[in-house]
Amino acid sequence: AQTVTQSQPEMSVQEAETVTLSCTYDTSENNYYLFWYKQPPSRQMILVIRQEAYKQQNATENRFSVNFQKAAKSFSLKISDSQLGDTAMYFCAFMKYMNNDMRFGAGTRLTVKP
Amino acid sequence: EAQVTQNPRYLITVTGKKLTVTCSQNMNHEYMSWYRQDPGLGLRQIYYSMNVEVTDKGDVPEGYKVSRKEKRNFPLILESPSPNQTSLYFCASGRRGVTEAFFGQGTRLTVV
Repeated sequence: AQTVTQSQPEMSVQEAETVTLSCTYDTSENNYYLFWYKQPPSRQMILVIRQEAYKQQNATENRFSVNFQKAAKSFSLKISDSQLGDTAMYFCAFMKYMNNDMRFGAGTRLTVKP
Repeated sequence: EAQVTQNPRYLITVTGKKLTVTCSQNMNHEYMSWYRQDPGLGLRQIYYSMNVEVTDKGDVPEGYKVSRKEKRNFPLILESPSPNQTSLYFCASGRRGVTEAFFGQGTRLTVV
């Protein structure tokens, strides 16, 4: 079974600075997807970024980028130029290729301080 | 607008009183799923469905039922709720084997 581990329950960062959230996973699969979801106080689950395991290039979405290390089974999220609106719970998730079963980490609560 | 709609968003009930949380999606997705979110545990899958009339257990199915009579609807049924089912519940849908999950707004359930 796949497991996803987020080892940082809480983090904080000053506005405009950069922060990195860690995620590791365990799988024997070769093809899969990885995701970062954001959950603001509104509770809505918002997809931040997605990475296909077969792609070597790290995914980027505006201020959000990932460092995907397939051999190390690591998938960290970097938020640049942090904004107050980035304050949220962030979940890392794993999905096997051609299988919708998603596995989530326990989450990291990020606070952006003014 | 493409969306997954859950109702109700908040619910307080008493132990043993049957309840249903509805979930509907308008994206013609084959896959639908229910998760519960608890502090320190992330989201855990309760049940999922890959198509109409096809449902399967997730990691924490005890105390829950689901049905998939129509493609767009996937209700979650608690026949006899207990306090340990107090949680935040999410419904999600997706195209089979292709995309990430699209989530509903969440239902905060309290069982007293």
